[in-house]
Amino acid sequence: DIQMTQSPSSVSASVGDRVTITCRASQGISSWLAWYQQKPGKAPKLLIYAASSLQSGVPSRFSGSGSGTDFTLTISSLQPEDFATYYCQQANSFPPLTFGGGTKVEIK
Amino acid sequence: EVQLVESGGGLVQPGGSLRLSCAASGFTFSSYEMNWVRQAPGKGLEWVSYISSSGSTIYYADSVKGRFTISRDNAKNSLYLQMNSLRAEDTAVYYCARANDYGESGSVYFDYWGQGTLVTVSS
Repeated sequence: DIQMTQSPSSVSASVGDRVTITCRASQGISSWLAWYQQKPGKAPKLLIYAASSLQSGVPSRFSGSGSGTDFTLTISSLQPEDFATYYCQQANSFPPLTFGGGTKVEIK
Repeated sequence: EVQLVESGGGLVQPGGSLRLSCAASGFTFSSYEMNWVRQAPGKGLEWVSYISSSGSTIYYADSVKGRFTISRDNAKNSLYLQMNSLRAEDTAVYYCARANDYGESGSVYFDYWGQGTLVTVSS
């Protein structure tokens, strides 16, 4: 199974800050990676697929990069509605499909 | 508008059974692979099961293999999860999620999710 490791597990930031979240795969997954945003009590929402492709309707302040084993989600200027938990997911090798442990973006 | 609506969750005793349903609308259900993903209280996301568009290919997480059965009825635009021999560690919100490969054959991205249904396994 491919293990997905996210860091940090939580980050405190202010509105307007640039935030970067990292996801590492235990083996190479090419660019087959997704990022999701989840707010409390809500279902996850797809932000990025194929490592860097923005899902329709997602603001351009979100961007993804990386390939192989190392990936990054960047929020260029944090907005109040971006405070949430973010998950990466490998889409390459299954079963099983696997998620990272999550990164909680909190208000500083 | 794509909609996925889960139902069937509730409180069940250890060893009991429950059947979850997911009603799909707003898209051609028979053309899409579907999945169940769960989230234990305060925990992260865990993929549970996958079914191909025709139902001919099915996968399970090791944690539920032999106890859970995924199925679909394309005529009724519905996805199901039959859960037997339930354990306390199966307590979670269960989401149905549509799969999209965005042209990358063999990949699975979850582009639409239902609101989830809570399953609580406790005596």
